Amino acid sequence: QQQVKQSPQSLIVQKGGIPIINCAYENTAFDYFPWYQQFPGKGPALLIAIRPDVSEKKEGRFTISFNKSAKQFSLHIMDSQPGDSATYFCATSGSARQLTFGSGTQLTVLP
Amino acid sequence: EAGVTQFPSHSVIEKGQTVTLRCDPISGHDNLYWYRRVMGKEIKFLLHFVKESKQDESGMPNNRFLAERTGGTYSTLKVQPAELEDSGVYFCASSPTHQTQYFGPGTRLLVL
Repeated sequence: QQQVKQSPQSLIVQKGGIPIINCAYENTAFDYFPWYQQFPGKGPALLIAIRPDVSEKKEGRFTISFNKSAKQFSLHIMDSQPGDSATYFCATSGSARQLTFGSGTQLTVLP
Repeated sequence: EAGVTQFPSHSVIEKGQTVTLRCDPISGHDNLYWYRRVMGKEIKFLLHFVKESKQDESGMPNNRFLAERTGGTYSTLKVQPAELEDSGVYFCASSPTHQTQYFGPGTRLLVL
């Protein structure tokens, strides 16, 4: 049973567009919601993370929106660039500490 | 500061052979995690060390997998004997705190 559902599986946008990646979780005990960015041949790198006491967090061009009642959170990339082309993973964790990942979204930003 | 390192970067073995993966965490990080991504699916948790002790090994698939962490420093993950379904990318991550985890580049394992 997949505890974190991520969509879409792949996404293609033009440079300057705003790709949005969505995740839904089931376990209300989760209290940490990070997004990881992975380039080919590399490991996942922490991009931005949010806790459930806030509804939005911005870091540079990356924004997380969090809806606790709907148990959903999303990643928005403002003014996307070809260098943002990568695989993005949402994840969750709680007191058990290990991360539970979504299935990943392959983002392509066209020049 | 050096990041998490993993060795080897790639390994191709035949079914029934043994493979040992190594992870060197960031210096000073007490928490060390192993994860695996199989066939383009989600990255799944395998186990968690705090220093040299296994905190949680609920994600280990079966007794063919053995993880150790010598003296609370580097960790090894041994697969013996390897099966076809063990193919995938094995990631190690370390963390100084409760939740922020830093990942290594992974070991790509192919079992033929």
